[in-house]
Amino acid sequence: SQQGEEDPQALSIQEGENATMNCSYKTSINNLQWYRQNSGRGLVHLILIRSNEREKHSGRLRVTLDTSKKSSSLLITASRAADTASYFCARLYNTDKLIFGTGTRLQVFP
Amino acid sequence: KAGVTQTPRYLIKTRGQQVTLSCSPISGHRSVSWYQQTPGQGLQFLFEYFSETQRNKGNFPGRFSGRQFSNSRSEMNVSTLELGDSALYLCASSFIGPDGTDTQYFGPGTRLTVL
Repeated sequence: SQQGEEDPQALSIQEGENATMNCSYKTSINNLQWYRQNSGRGLVHLILIRSNEREKHSGRLRVTLDTSKKSSSLLITASRAADTASYFCARLYNTDKLIFGTGTRLQVFP
Repeated sequence: KAGVTQTPRYLIKTRGQQVTLSCSPISGHRSVSWYQQTPGQGLQFLFEYFSETQRNKGNFPGRFSGRQFSNSRSEMNVSTLELGDSALYLCASSFIGPDGTDTQYFGPGTRLTVL
């Protein structure tokens, strides 16, 4: 399968704590993207990190990329109940084909 | 700008029927991609259209087809529905930014249930 793997599959934390999700992939990339999906709804683009970047920030989000290990991580700092969602990493393949990871379900308890 | 819209949002069909789903991309976006999401297989790419031409195709049977119109709106069709076609079908539109990056913007999806 071309799919990436994400871990953990599920994560439960309290509001205010940090949440870290990891993504591994199998082939070389130009960039890696992270998406959020609220229960059974559409995907929201969070952040894109290019293969020549090691770290990128967007608000409370921090993404790191290690191309030698073919892995990326998404850190959400000071989590809120509204961050409860599934998070997916995705890489672009062949122009416009996104290959998604298996996703991490994050539950943030108030 | 309005986001990607998909119609209908929910659909119930029976085995053997066919179904057509519609997607209107963000204004100015010329590329439209379709994905299927199921609990077992996750998010899987179906196909992608650009300027009315299919550029990429995923590993799905020929029962799944699509098209794109001159206004970039796209439809996908599934014929001879099977129970396993029950899924959330997501449409995404994209454009190449000035920095060369391609970001896909997703619609809310169509929830198809096959009975």
